Amino acid sequence: EVQLVESGGGLVQRGGSLRLSCAASGFTFSSYWMHWVRQAPGKGLVWVSRINRDGTSTSYADSVKGRFTISRDNAKDTLYLQMNSLRAEDTAVYYCARDPGITGIAFDPWGQGTLVTVSS
Amino acid sequence: DIQMTQSPSSLSASVGDRVTITCRASQNIYNYVNWYQQKPGRGPKFLIYAATTLQRGVPSRFTGSGSGAGFTLTISSLQPEDFATYYCQQSYSAPPTFGQGTKVEIK
Repeated sequence: EVQLVESGGGLVQRGGSLRLSCAASGFTFSSYWMHWVRQAPGKGLVWVSRINRDGTSTSYADSVKGRFTISRDNAKDTLYLQMNSLRAEDTAVYYCARDPGITGIAFDPWGQGTLVTVSS
Repeated sequence: DIQMTQSPSSLSASVGDRVTITCRASQNIYNYVNWYQQKPGRGPKFLIYAATTLQRGVPSRFTGSGSGAGFTLTISSLQPEDFATYYCQQSYSAPPTFGQGTKVEIK
């Protein structure tokens, strides 16, 4: 079964840092682009970042550029999101998602999410 | 960035009803639209890609249509497990963007 499990969320003060992890199983992790998508409480979905198969190419939403870093360890089948200089508006559930590679950019499957709360 | 606008934001329907959700893009995106279903406390589920193609395992009561800038998700006969929030997403250009969601509630 294809599965993504996020971890590392929690409560952090404004200006602090946090590293999220996403453990993948049930598929060949190194064959897929991966993404982070977030959802503020009661709000919609917002794409955050993506990384290509070998980690040599990354892209970010303008709102997190320069503060967040996406990376991956294909030997450990794990995706990461290093979040620095956190702001109150970064409070959200963070989902990792695989890009199935069947149509432009898509997300399938998604993890269950990990909640990041930035206190001001 | 391409803006995706869904309507309605919410709707109430009964089991067995036909439900239609509309998504409009701020520019021509051809058929580069995906649809997702999200239930409370869970990550979204991938339903439809390229505007009309059902992902494996998705029931045939779900139908996607449209092209250009206007798209529709239709549920032909609403089932109890379909009460959820639905999102469209454009995959035409980066960054990928989502509609604001349509919550389908029990009448």
